[in-house]
Amino acid sequence: DTAVSQTPKYLVTQMGNDKSIKCEQNLGHDTMYWYKQDSKKFLKIMFSYNNKELIINETVPNRFSPKSPDKAHLNLHINSLELGDSAVYFCASSQDWGPYEQYFGPGTRLTVT
Amino acid sequence: TQLLEQSPQFLSIQEGENLTVYCNSSSVFSSLQWYRQEPGEGPVLLVTVVTGGEVKKLKRLTFQFGDARKDSSLHITAAQPGDTGLYLCAGGQSGNTPLVFGKGTRLSVIA
Repeated sequence: DTAVSQTPKYLVTQMGNDKSIKCEQNLGHDTMYWYKQDSKKFLKIMFSYNNKELIINETVPNRFSPKSPDKAHLNLHINSLELGDSAVYFCASSQDWGPYEQYFGPGTRLTVT
Repeated sequence: TQLLEQSPQFLSIQEGENLTVYCNSSSVFSSLQWYRQEPGEGPVLLVTVVTGGEVKKLKRLTFQFGDARKDSSLHITAAQPGDTGLYLCAGGQSGNTPLVFGKGTRLSVIA
């Protein structure tokens, strides 16, 4: 069983479209995260949810909106996609909020053309 | 401001060579984690160190946490092509803050 899963693995779309990425964890963790990894491989945190409550909302365009329907799921919806949104997006989870070990999903490679 | 500086940024070596990568900060961390990310996959935790001066070994990998808990190193003995990947360090500072990731060292081991 995959601990943290993301769908889709690859996403190719045109500028201006709206798309969603889904994430699920079966580890029973309370905290989930979204990271963006650019072409230079820098892992930048975007959002963090703890018990379905938004904890971190870094400086991210408001075109990005996370949604956590329950503790096991954290989805990312992106409106009006731009070329600069092209990156790999990683979902992760940890036992609780704080400096705990994080378990990452396989990533979603988003390409905006 | 990047709290965790990793060096070198890139490293390309021949199979069988030894190498050390570093993770440095001016801040004190309560714990330090090392992750490896292979191409096309997400980062995977290798080890966590929590005590100043602590040394942990994972087969050919040796991790050390600095005495002052501000820095850490990862030494690989007799590197193999399977060690190729992005090595990320991540520091934890308190119970109310998440991990802070460094920018990583991209290692390439050539057969």
